[in-house]
Amino acid sequence: GAVVSQHPSWVICKSGTSVKIECRSLDFQATTMFWYRQFPKQSLMLMATSNEGSKATYEQGVEKDKFLINHASLTLSTLTVTSAHPEDSSFYICSASRAGGENEQFFGPGTRLTVL
Amino acid sequence: SQKIEQNSEALNIQEGKTATLTCNYTNYSPAYLQWYRQDPGRGPVFLLLIRENEKEKRKERLKVTFDTTLKQSLFHITASQPADSATYLCAPSNTGFQKLVFGTGTRLLVSP
Repeated sequence: GAVVSQHPSWVICKSGTSVKIECRSLDFQATTMFWYRQFPKQSLMLMATSNEGSKATYEQGVEKDKFLINHASLTLSTLTVTSAHPEDSSFYICSASRAGGENEQFFGPGTRLTVL
Repeated sequence: SQKIEQNSEALNIQEGKTATLTCNYTNYSPAYLQWYRQDPGRGPVFLLLIRENEKEKRKERLKVTFDTTLKQSLFHITASQPADSATYLCAPSNTGFQKLVFGTGTRLLVSP
């Protein structure tokens, strides 16, 4: 149990385009979902926390107008990178916490974004 | 500010030995401490969670200790195997569905 999927697993896009990444909890309801970014040889950096039906809470330094997060249901959250630039190229990972859990997070497999 | 430190250098050990990884934190009083495993190009996988009132927790070949006085957690893998080679991340947390702040991780290499 507690499986989280992400789609797509990798994407290559041109500079200036927008990219949407989906995160789904497959067998549980995710009270809270988190979006992280990871650059090579670095640890995960939290970008934002989202709760179903409410606005996401962004970490300091993360542009909310550039990284749009929608948490429309208890099993789906999306991250849209708007007007992507090469410096946005990174590994984006989502995670989800489930109600009744002990605050452990279940991570998706990640999405590799490359902006040309 | 909160700081989480893990050995940045890779830990190389031989198969069958016990691997011990360290996580130190400062300016923080977490109620929980979590350990995750991350393989290259993959998302982290939850391994163990230990509460502040627990000194030790075990799961199969894994053992975690939590010393709130030293502000340190140790993560042990006994009878290590090459398949245990990965990066291990620690993440202190508090109650509720709060965000996790991850350490930089320690890469473990188990050679046959």
